[in-house]
Order: sequence, then C-alpha cells, then structure tokens
Amino acid sequence: DTGVSQNPRHKITKRGQNVTFRCDPISEHNRLYWYRQTLGQGPEFLTYFQNEAQLEKSRLLSDRFSAERPKGSFSTLEIQRTEQGDSAMYLCASSLGEGAETQYFGPGTRLLVL
Amino acid sequence: KQEVTQIPAALSVPEGENLVLNCSFTDSAIYNLQWFRQDPGKGLTSLLLIQSSQREQTSGRLNASLDKSSGRSTLYIAASQPGDSATYLCAVRASRGSTLGRLYFGRGTQLTVWP
Repeated sequence: DTGVSQNPRHKITKRGQNVTFRCDPISEHNRLYWYRQTLGQGPEFLTYFQNEAQLEKSRLLSDRFSAERPKGSFSTLEIQRTEQGDSAMYLCASSLGEGAETQYFGPGTRLLVL
Repeated sequence: KQEVTQIPAALSVPEGENLVLNCSFTDSAIYNLQWFRQDPGKGLTSLLLIQSSQREQTSGRLNASLDKSSGRSTLYIAASQPGDSATYLCAVRASRGSTLGRLYFGRGTQLTVWP
C-alpha cells in the first residue's frame, strides 16, 4: 500500500494521560499536514511540515500538543494531559510540491478520552 | 479568516438523479479548491482539484466548477448511484498571508442515494 498510513487507528485513553499518534506519508512527499475533525464538522487545520521544518501551527494547537517530523519522513503528534474535548478524529495528509497540489489523506486516528 | 459553507447539509435522492452540491467561500484569494469524499468513520478521498486559473474539472460522472470572483464552486454528480452515498467536503487553499499551507473545509453535504 503506497498511501498515507496512520497508527493507531483507534485510541481510548483516560483523561490526563498522554497519547502519541504516528503518520507515514506517501514516499517522497515533502509536505505533511495534521488536521482534527469532530463529529459533524469539517477537518480543521492543526499544523504542517515542509520536509522536517514545522512551518505553521494553528491556534487550536495548545501547549499540550506537539508535532515532530524528524528527518522529513514520518511524523508524530503527541497530546499531553488529554482532556475530553480532545476526543476527535486526527487526520494526516501529505503532498508533493509547493502547496498548490492535491493533499492525500490517511484513514485517521480516532481518539476517545474518557 | 476564510470561511467555507456547503449547501445543502444533507441530501437524500433516488438512484439515477443528477445532483448539484454547492460550496461558497468568503475570501476569493485562493490557490485552489478541492472536493473530497468521506465515508463514515474513514479518511478523505480526493475527487477533484481545481486550480484558481481553471473554471472546471471533470472525472467520470463528476464535474466541478469554480467561479473564484463570486466565491462559489459546484460539484455535479451525474446519474447518481447508491455507492455515491457519503459526505462530500469542499476545501480551499489560501493564496496569501501566513496560511499558505492549510486547507479550509466546509462542514460537508451528507448524500444518501437509495435504490
């Protein structure tokens, strides 16, 4: 499978715990994006990387959220001290180019915080 | 801030009908507009991408048009089938400011096509 992959697909955690999600983009794609989608809403932008550089972060990305893309390949999104409001689908996308190109999305990681 | 609105929020039609889904955006300074399909609990599948310099794109039974000056796009689905049932999302990419990397999404149109 040469598409965008995300792990885990589902995560249930208790409030206050830390969680980490992984995204593997399409090989050779230089741009990687994270979005969050809650029920009945469209995805909302969180952050994006060009190669290993994090170029933009949304105000939605509080201090409890951190994302990395070491070596410009896979990316991780960590949420510390999870809250019930963090329950959502976390989507990763990748693209090749300077931004005017198609973004390809992974299947998402669904997070439930109890 | 760019805002994207999709109308209708939900649509239920019999198989075989031709459909029009609408998308509007508030800031006409866009690089491109993309239509996605999302099945329940799944990620997004890209359907069509229209660059700001283009007027329309076609793929099979799908045709998307773009009127950048009026901030509107439509997705036309010909001869709908039950397999078309999904949520259709419209997203625009800004062309100015510090938001060059992100897509702005609408809430989607939930389509049900019944046999």
